[in-house]
Amino acid sequence: EVQLVESGGGLVQPGRSLRLSCAASGFTFDDYAMHWVRQAPGKGLEWVSGISWNSGSIGYADSVKGRFTISRDNAKNSLYLQMNSLRAEDTALYYCAKAAGLGVPDAFDIWGQGTMVTVSS
Amino acid sequence: DIQMTQSPSSLSASVGDRVTITCRASQGISNYLAWYQQKPGKVPKLLIYAASTLQSGVPSRFSGSGSGTDFTLTISSLQPEDVATYYCQKYNSAPLFGPGTKVDIK
Repeated sequence: EVQLVESGGGLVQPGRSLRLSCAASGFTFDDYAMHWVRQAPGKGLEWVSGISWNSGSIGYADSVKGRFTISRDNAKNSLYLQMNSLRAEDTALYYCAKAAGLGVPDAFDIWGQGTMVTVSS
Repeated sequence: DIQMTQSPSSLSASVGDRVTITCRASQGISNYLAWYQQKPGKVPKLLIYAASTLQSGVPSRFSGSGSGTDFTLTISSLQPEDVATYYCQKYNSAPLFGPGTKVDIK
């Protein structure tokens, strides 16, 4: 079964850091680009960052550029998001999503259940 | 920067009705357009990619059309299990989601 499991969320003070992880299973992880998407409570979906299969291409939303860093470890079938200088507006459920493998560029076909990040003093 | 808009923002229809949701990109995106369904409290699900290609396992009452800047998602016969928020997404260059359309049963 194809599965993505996020972890690392929690309550953090403004200005602090947090590292999210996403463990992948059931597919050949290093064949696919991966993404982070977030959803603030009661709001819509916002793409945060994406990384190609070999980490050669990386992108960020303007809202997180310079503060967040995406990375992956293909040997560990894992995706990461290092979040620094966190702000209240970063409060959201963070989803890990897999590129569908339908071409380049690509839609997102598998999503994890998400990990909640709350930024508050 | 490209902007994505959706209309309507919400709709209420009867079981069996034909439902159409519109998505518009502020610049041409060819057919790099996907539709997702997110049921309350659930994870988003890919319905359609490349503007009109149905994802495997998605019921055939869902269809998509369009190219360039204007796209539509159609549910040919609304079912109770289709209650959800539907998002369009452009996925060329920096992915961007539309604001969503909430669909309810009248």
